[in-house]
Amino acid sequence: GAVVSQHPSWVICKSGTSVKIECRSLDFQATTMFWYRQFPKQSLMLMATSNEGSKATYEQGVEKDKFLINHASLTLSTLTVTSAHPEDSSFYICSATSFVLASGDTQYFGPGTRLTVL
Amino acid sequence: RKEVEQDPGPFNVPEGATVAFNCTYSNSASQSFFWYRQDCRKEPKLLMSVYSSGNEDGRFTAQLNRASQYISLLIRDSKLSDSATYLCVVNRDSNYQLIWGAGTKLIIKP
Repeated sequence: GAVVSQHPSWVICKSGTSVKIECRSLDFQATTMFWYRQFPKQSLMLMATSNEGSKATYEQGVEKDKFLINHASLTLSTLTVTSAHPEDSSFYICSATSFVLASGDTQYFGPGTRLTVL
Repeated sequence: RKEVEQDPGPFNVPEGATVAFNCTYSNSASQSFFWYRQDCRKEPKLLMSVYSSGNEDGRFTAQLNRASQYISLLIRDSKLSDSATYLCVVNRDSNYQLIWGAGTKLIIKP
């Protein structure tokens, strides 16, 4: 139980294009979803916290107009990297929590999406 | 100062040895603490939660020192499969956001 999927698992795109990444909780309804970014040899950096039906809360320094988050249902959140540039190349990971399954501190992680912008 | 600090390593350890990592955190209001492991190009996986009384799970022992604001992880009888990056994770205040250390890389050698 508590499986989180991400799609696509990897993507290569040209500079200036937009890329959408989906995060789904497959067998549970997520209370909250989180989006992280991880550059090589660095820690996971929280980008935003997302709850179904409300606007995402972005961390300081994360441009909300560039990283659009839509949390349309209790099982789906999407991150769209708009006008991607090479510096946006990174490993994007989502996670989800469920107060039904565990405490709010337990996050179930998706397998990540590796984005390469040429 | 980083919110969560770890020695990046790498720690090169022979198979069967015991290895210990420490991690310090800056937010004294943090209530929940975890160790995750992350394999190369994979998502992090929860290794264990860390409780005030200390806890053990097989070869792994975690300790929390609130006064000094550090967390430790001890791995006994290390296996080749223990090679990974170990991430120290702390919650942020009373909400459920997690703050991640940069990780300590462990390499177990045969």
